[in-house]
Amino acid sequence: DAGVTQSPTHLIKTRGQQVTLRCSPKSGHDTVSWYQQALGQGPQFIFQYYEEEERQRGNFPDRFSGHQFPNYSSELNVNALLLGDSALYLCASKRWGANYGYTFGSGTRLTVV
Amino acid sequence: GNSVTQMEGPVTLSEEAFLTINCTYTATGYPSLFWYVQYPGEGLQLLLKATKADDKGSNKGFEATYRKETTSFHLEKGSVQVSDSAVYFCALRRLSSGGGADGLTFGKGTHLIIQP
Repeated sequence: DAGVTQSPTHLIKTRGQQVTLRCSPKSGHDTVSWYQQALGQGPQFIFQYYEEEERQRGNFPDRFSGHQFPNYSSELNVNALLLGDSALYLCASKRWGANYGYTFGSGTRLTVV
Repeated sequence: GNSVTQMEGPVTLSEEAFLTINCTYTATGYPSLFWYVQYPGEGLQLLLKATKADDKGSNKGFEATYRKETTSFHLEKGSVQVSDSAVYFCALRRLSSGGGADGLTFGKGTHLIIQP
């Protein structure tokens, strides 16, 4: 049973560009959350999607947007990239309403140059 | 707002030593508390959890007790192994009033190094 799958694994972008990261949740999970983990820091919550709607958002600017598809997979889009957006982006999935049981992917390492 | 504070690393111990990683939190209401572990090149894995005051979470020899009076959730293990070397994150999650769920709030992580 596959866990959470994220693509690509690594990505290098230029400042000002746009990027799309992808996530396939664990089988049976319908809720997807995205986190940003800067080097040496803990993950920071970006937003959560359920039933193709953004349900909750952390303290991130509108440059960060997302989407969830009918098959529960999700995309994270970041526009007008800044050097400070360089980080590991983690996707986590679970069943809606579960208090725990998050499964995390291995992440996408984004480097902005 | 919610926040989690955990001891700075790296923490370096010899094999079979006793481990304590301190974690304190600030949150309204009654959050659920978690410890996650991250091995190099991998995603976060749930190590243990506690959902109410005085609960003790345990897994793989690790334990942590939810102390509401001190707002703490310290991680302990009686005898560490080289394979326990990893980054450990304390986290909390507070249920929102609408029945949905807040995202996890993480500490900065503690890098644990166990030497043979």
